[in-house]
Amino acid sequence: RKEVEQDPGPFNVPEGATVAFNCTYSNSASQSFFWYRQDCRKEPKLLMSVYSSGNEDGRFTAQLNRASQYISLLIRDSKLSDSATYLCVVWVGTASKLTFGTGTRLQVTL
Amino acid sequence: GAVVSQHPSRVICKSGTSVKIECRSLDFQATTMFWYRQFPKQSLMLMATSNEGSKATYEQGVEKDKFLINHASLTLSTLTVTSAHPEDSSFYICSASASGGVGASTDTQYFGPGTRLTVL
Repeated sequence: RKEVEQDPGPFNVPEGATVAFNCTYSNSASQSFFWYRQDCRKEPKLLMSVYSSGNEDGRFTAQLNRASQYISLLIRDSKLSDSATYLCVVWVGTASKLTFGTGTRLQVTL
Repeated sequence: GAVVSQHPSRVICKSGTSVKIECRSLDFQATTMFWYRQFPKQSLMLMATSNEGSKATYEQGVEKDKFLINHASLTLSTLTVTSAHPEDSSFYICSASASGGVGASTDTQYFGPGTRLTVL
């Protein structure tokens, strides 16, 4: 079983749509959680951290459920520029490393 | 935010040659640098963690004699792929952390732009 699992997609949505991505992680010792964005052939860039209380940054809302080991990302009012691969990333403190999911590809169309 | 550079951005080489990739933190001192590899349609996989002045810690399955890592200063780490073969063709990405990351789970890792290696 992969340490971090995501639906690979692609998710094809029209501009203005709301889209949700899910992620599950297997290591219960995971301490911190993030969503990164990766454009084609580029490095990943931090989109937002994910907190247990849930957090929002503009059109982006992230949720964490530690009991279910589940993380989500909601994007409202999708823009063409949101087209990218979204990576669910977990920090395991005991291993001192980030573990990346394979990513979910989003394509926003006109 | 902090800037991390990598050089070269792209390299094409013949099988059997060695390739050196540099990772530099431009405006901060990086106690810890991480080297990742990403194959097409796959996730980033951590190869090794290097701390300035000490030997790198390699992930399981990564050959330390093939992937030589040197972290000689707080702003520079290098990855040398020795005797590269076509199966080593990949996207190599480094990241740097100012605080080491050990026990500080919210340390930010700043990623370099990556190096695309193609071995013919």
